Amino acid sequence: NAGVTQTPKFQVLKTGQSMTLQCAQDMNHEYMSWYRQDPGMGLRLIHYSVGAGITDQGEVPNGYNVSRSTTEDFPLRLLSAAPSQTSVYFCASSRRLPSDEKLFFGSGTQLSVL
Amino acid sequence: SQKIEQNSEALNIQEGKTATLTCNYTNYSPAYLQWYRQDPGRGPVFLLLIRENEKEKRKERLKVTFDTTLKQSLFHITASQPADSATYLCALLMDSSYKLIFGSGTRLLVRP
Repeated sequence: NAGVTQTPKFQVLKTGQSMTLQCAQDMNHEYMSWYRQDPGMGLRLIHYSVGAGITDQGEVPNGYNVSRSTTEDFPLRLLSAAPSQTSVYFCASSRRLPSDEKLFFGSGTQLSVL
Repeated sequence: SQKIEQNSEALNIQEGKTATLTCNYTNYSPAYLQWYRQDPGRGPVFLLLIRENEKEKRKERLKVTFDTTLKQSLFHITASQPADSATYLCALLMDSSYKLIFGSGTRLLVRP
C-alpha cells in the first residue's frame, strides 16, 4: 500500500537551477495537488489537477509548472529556482474532487535554494 | 477571497483535559469543512469531515462542530493524551472551484 509517493525527500539547489519534484499515487485518484508549507504560513496550494490532462492554478502558482499526462503522476517543475522557493512541498490526492473527499498526503520534499 | 484563521499560539493543556481548537473563515460558508493532524516532519493526516447541515460530528474522542452563522468550526479532543500532541489544521474549499485551502494550524501540547 504505497499511497502517495514523493521523491526526492531532500534537495538542495542553486539559484537559477531547474528541477522536477515527483509525485505518484497508486489509488486511481482523480484529484491531485501540490502544496508548499512555510513556517507560520500553513499549507498553500500551488497547482491542482482534476484528472489526466487537466490542471489549474492554486493560490501561489508563480514559478511552478505542472502537467498530468497520466492518472498516477503529477510532477511539479521549478524552471528557475529562487531562494523564495525554499520550503517543504507536499503532494496530495483524493478519490474525487476534494469538497467531500479526504486528501491523502505524501511525506514531503524539503527543498533548499541557495 | 476566502481566508481561514486558526490560533497561531500553541495550546498547552494537562493530560485528561479537553482540548478545543478554533477555525474561523471569512466569507461564504462552505458545504464541507475538514480537519487534519500533522506531526513534525510528516504530511497531514485526515481526521474528520463535517457538512454544513451536520452541526456536530464525532469519532471516538474527537468532536467537530460547524456553525455557519458564526463562520466557525470547533475541534474538541476529550480525555487528551500526550500522544495527541501535534498540529491540527482545518481546510475548506476556497470558492466555487476545487481549491482546498488550509489554515496555518494550531499546535497542541498535552502535558503528562
